[in-house]
Amino acid sequence: AQSVTQLGSHVSVSEGALVLLRCNYSSSVPPYLFWYVQYPNQGLQLLLKYTSAATLVKGINGFEAEFKKSETSFHLTKPSAHMSDAAEYFCAVSLSGGYNKLIFGAGTRLAVHP
Amino acid sequence: GAVVSQHPSRVICKSGTSVKIECRSLDFQATTMFWYRQFPKKSLMLMATSNEGSKATYEQGVEKDKFLINHASLTLSTLTVTSAHPEDSSFYICSAVRGGATGELFFGEGSRLTVL
Repeated sequence: AQSVTQLGSHVSVSEGALVLLRCNYSSSVPPYLFWYVQYPNQGLQLLLKYTSAATLVKGINGFEAEFKKSETSFHLTKPSAHMSDAAEYFCAVSLSGGYNKLIFGAGTRLAVHP
Repeated sequence: GAVVSQHPSRVICKSGTSVKIECRSLDFQATTMFWYRQFPKKSLMLMATSNEGSKATYEQGVEKDKFLINHASLTLSTLTVTSAHPEDSSFYICSAVRGGATGELFFGEGSRLTVL
């Protein structure tokens, strides 16, 4: 069965610093992996997705993630944090290999301070 | 980008009443929609898969008689929380699939239910 583990429920960085949000997955089949962002009282917005093509995936707002099969990881990074990046971030794996039926990690709240 | 809208965004009701939450795909047709529940400071839990014109498929542990799902058209799915109790208070989020079985997923903005 698929599952997702996000290490660190809260991450705090300074503006301009590197952002690293960790995600490890478990899947019995080649996974589709996703990162979503959620702003307060809003739905989820797709940041990026891995669908078995290039292992380094670039997304919106300067974020990128690298799929590492040997480490079963899909960590999210951004070279320089911006105040507007403060939000909740969710890593997800697809049950069916497509985009739709997703299993989410517990989420990581990113705080960015001046 | 595609837009999925939920209504109401917030609802407060008394214990024992029923509440209906709507999920609409505004600029595309969605044969499949998903309903998630999000507890405070927790992740999203998939409740059910809503298929247009057929019965919803519920995840293990989700009471189908408590959470009634209807997907009567290609742009609308509704979730009705029947005989709501305080423990049903939560943030409910829907998502709609654009583009068929492996289409892209778009999320609504969520509906916060508070049962007094």
